[in-house]
Amino acid sequence: GAGVSQSPSNKVTEKGKDVELRCDPISGHTALYWYRQSLGQGLEFLIYFQGNSAPDKSGLPSDRFSAERTGGSVSTLTIQRTQQEDSAVYLCASSSLSTQETQYFGPGTRLLVL
Amino acid sequence: KQEVTQIPAALSVPEGENLVLNCSFTDSAIYNLQWFRQDPGKGLTSLLLIQSSQREQTSGRLNASLDKSSGRSTLYIAASQPGDSATYLCAVPSGGSNYKLTFGKGTLLTVNP
Repeated sequence: GAGVSQSPSNKVTEKGKDVELRCDPISGHTALYWYRQSLGQGLEFLIYFQGNSAPDKSGLPSDRFSAERTGGSVSTLTIQRTQQEDSAVYLCASSSLSTQETQYFGPGTRLLVL
Repeated sequence: KQEVTQIPAALSVPEGENLVLNCSFTDSAIYNLQWFRQDPGKGLTSLLLIQSSQREQTSGRLNASLDKSSGRSTLYIAASQPGDSATYLCAVPSGGSNYKLTFGKGTLLTVNP
């Protein structure tokens, strides 16, 4: 079926506002991952979901970042009180039952915090 | 901490050339290694995944090799085409996990017609 989709594709917000980024994984994929790609840091892991649980949140940069997943499908990454350093491309990926399988990435959400 | 290095950072070749992209990683205790391509403004497209027990994987004009003990992988592209122009990234799971990918900074490939 369709690949991983993300929305919005672009988001411009003012410093201090909250934003929500959405990810729709490939149907049937139980594992879901969020990464961040910024100019200075390259691609960085943020969080991993298996089903609706997040056994690994080690990459979330601060407590302003949170994520949830419902119905074993859609995931939302929320950034509260955005800062300029949050500007980056946020990428979502999913893989099938085994985490040793290929991770398939979505097109990303480009976030710009003014 | 796992570190992934890709050489060269950029490469420009004429159409039809065979080329090799290099990736090295510091911690050889990996489950697998994955090669991706990224087109400007787009997400990542998976090209090849090599499990730690494998030495190489092939897909069309692409061949990836893995030498786990020396911490190296190469991506060989045969008969390059302008459509191969993209950034190529390699990634390995890190932190003792088989899913938390650590990426190199990529090789920007330009294939000139």
